Parts: sequence; C-alpha cells; structure tokens
Amino acid sequence: QQQVRQSPQSLTVWEGETAILNCSYEDSTFNYFPWYQQFPGEGPALLISISSVSDKKEDGRFTIFFNKREKKLSLHITDSQPGDSATYFCAASANSGTYQRFGTGTKLQVVP
Amino acid sequence: GPKVLQIPSHQIIDMGQMVTLNCDPVSNHLYFYWYKQILGQQMEFLVNFYNGKVMEKSKLFKDQFSVERPDGSYFTLKIQPTALEDSAVYFCASSFWGGSAETLYFGSGTRLTVL
Repeated sequence: QQQVRQSPQSLTVWEGETAILNCSYEDSTFNYFPWYQQFPGEGPALLISISSVSDKKEDGRFTIFFNKREKKLSLHITDSQPGDSATYFCAASANSGTYQRFGTGTKLQVVP
Repeated sequence: GPKVLQIPSHQIIDMGQMVTLNCDPVSNHLYFYWYKQILGQQMEFLVNFYNGKVMEKSKLFKDQFSVERPDGSYFTLKIQPTALEDSAVYFCASSFWGGSAETLYFGSGTRLTVL
C-alpha cells in the first residue's frame, strides 16, 4: 500500500517557467512533510519542509502549498533553472512514527 | 553541510553470497537509517537504529538482513544470503535527534548488483 503518492512521474518545463509537483497521502496522522531533492548519483537532500499547522511555506523560489482537508500538497518551483533538474521526493511522517515515508518521486527536467 | 559516507559505491556479487554495506554517519548523529531505492525512483524504508538497537523495521527488512554499529564505527547493513531481488541502491541516512520530523542526511548510496 503506497501511503504517499506523487504526480506526475516526470515533468519537463522550460527555463523560467513554474514547475508544479503534486503529492497526496492517506494517513491522517501524518503531520510533517519534507521535500527532498536528488541529483543522479547522489542521495536525497532536504529542500524544504512544512508541518500540518501551516498551509504554505516559502523558501526563495520554492513554495509548498498544503491542503490538510484534501490530504494534498504541491511544490511550486518558480523561475525554474536547468540546475533544478533532479528527482523530487515528497515524504511524510507522524509524531508517533520513527521514520519518514517517501513518495514515488517526480523527475523534473528544465530545458534551457 | 554534514556528510554521510558510504562504502563501497558499487558492489557486484553472486546470488547466495554475503555482502556488507558500510556507512560512516555524521559524527555526532545518534540515529541511523537504511533505505532501498529501485530504478532511481521509490525510496523504501528498511530499518532504523539507535543506541545499539533496531527501533523499527519494514516488511522489506527480511530475515537475511541485519544491522549493527560495533563500538561507534561504521553502521553496517549485512545481507546473508543475497537474492536477485536485493539488487538496488541502498542509502544510509543519519540524524541527530530521533523522531519523524528530523532532517535526514543521506549518503550517496551503494549500488548493489546481485547476479
């Protein structure tokens, strides 16, 4: 049972456009949602995170929008750059848990 | 930033052999994790470890798997015997605090190929 889902599986945008990556989850006890960025040959690295008490978190060009009622999140990357080309993972965890569950990932390609 | 080192980066072995994957976590971190990634996509949790003990393990953490960190050295994942379906990239991660809201620091992974 996949508890964290992401869409699309892959996404191509032009440089300067806004990329929108989607994430949904099933477990209503999840209350912390980190997004990780992974480049080929490397491990994931934390990009930005949000807790369920907020509906928006912004860090530079990266913004998370969170809808608790619908159990959905999205990561918006504005003014996308070729260096943003990577795989992005949405993850989720609960206070009662001891580990983070990762989504299926979205592979983003930014074309110059 | 903090670095997690994984050794080796690639490992090729024959089915049925034993393999040990090594992880050198961030020096002052206390919590350690192994994740399995297949085909560059899904990151699956295997196990986490604190104070010399497994805290939680998933269904993917088969009886053939074991973890340990003897005397504060490498955090290791041992598979004995290996099976074809164990082929994947294994990522080690560490964090200072436990709990699910902690930032995980990942190594670059060990690509395991079982023939």
